[in-house]
Amino acid sequence: QSVLTQPPSLSGAPGQRVTISCTGSSSNIGAGYDVHWYQQLPGAAPKLLIYANNNRPSGVPDRFSGSNSGTSAALAITGLQADDEAQYYCQSYDTSLSGVVFGGGTKLTVL
Amino acid sequence: QVQLQESGPGLVNPSETLSLTCTVSRGSISHSYWTWVRQPAGKGLEWIGRFYPGDTHYNPSLKSRVTMSIDASMNQFSLRLTSVTAADTAVYFCATYAPGSDAFGIWGRGTGVTVSS
Repeated sequence: QSVLTQPPSLSGAPGQRVTISCTGSSSNIGAGYDVHWYQQLPGAAPKLLIYANNNRPSGVPDRFSGSNSGTSAALAITGLQADDEAQYYCQSYDTSLSGVVFGGGTKLTVL
Repeated sequence: QVQLQESGPGLVNPSETLSLTCTVSRGSISHSYWTWVRQPAGKGLEWIGRFYPGDTHYNPSLKSRVTMSIDASMNQFSLRLTSVTAADTAVYFCATYAPGSDAFGIWGRGTGVTVSS
């Protein structure tokens, strides 16, 4: 069981908006630790998509955005495209575990 | 920008020690934090630990078996994991922080490790 909980899978049609949730607790997201999001294509290393809750690295389209509220975070993808089909992970820090924690990952399917 | 390349034995016998190296190119290994993350086949990401001289932290679940170090002369970052079992079979990634953040902005391609006799 991951410390950060994500839905195992989601799907959406091209052009639609999808939101991937990441639920934590008072010892990680709720404690104010930053949430980062990664996209992982099959056979590839994770790629940083959103850092520090809602910031995009250079080159990441503005179709991707992040938000936080209380003990949860969310990644929103608008204008869904076929090459958005990937695994998505959230990541934060947990003070009880004294370490970095990842969500279990969400497989996004573009219908 | 900095590039990372993992290398290792590929196959390790149970109960032995796994040793991996991450070679840093197009940048210096000094004055940066270095991390190992692993991913069993078909599963999620697991943080192994972070190294910086005087500020090293390991995943509590692996702490008794993990050692990380750097060789500045070779621009390499290393992982040692002792007493391995089949549960340590995974792809191992090295990574470092994106500038101005504690997010993992730069990753190596990963190296697969199988623990089996």
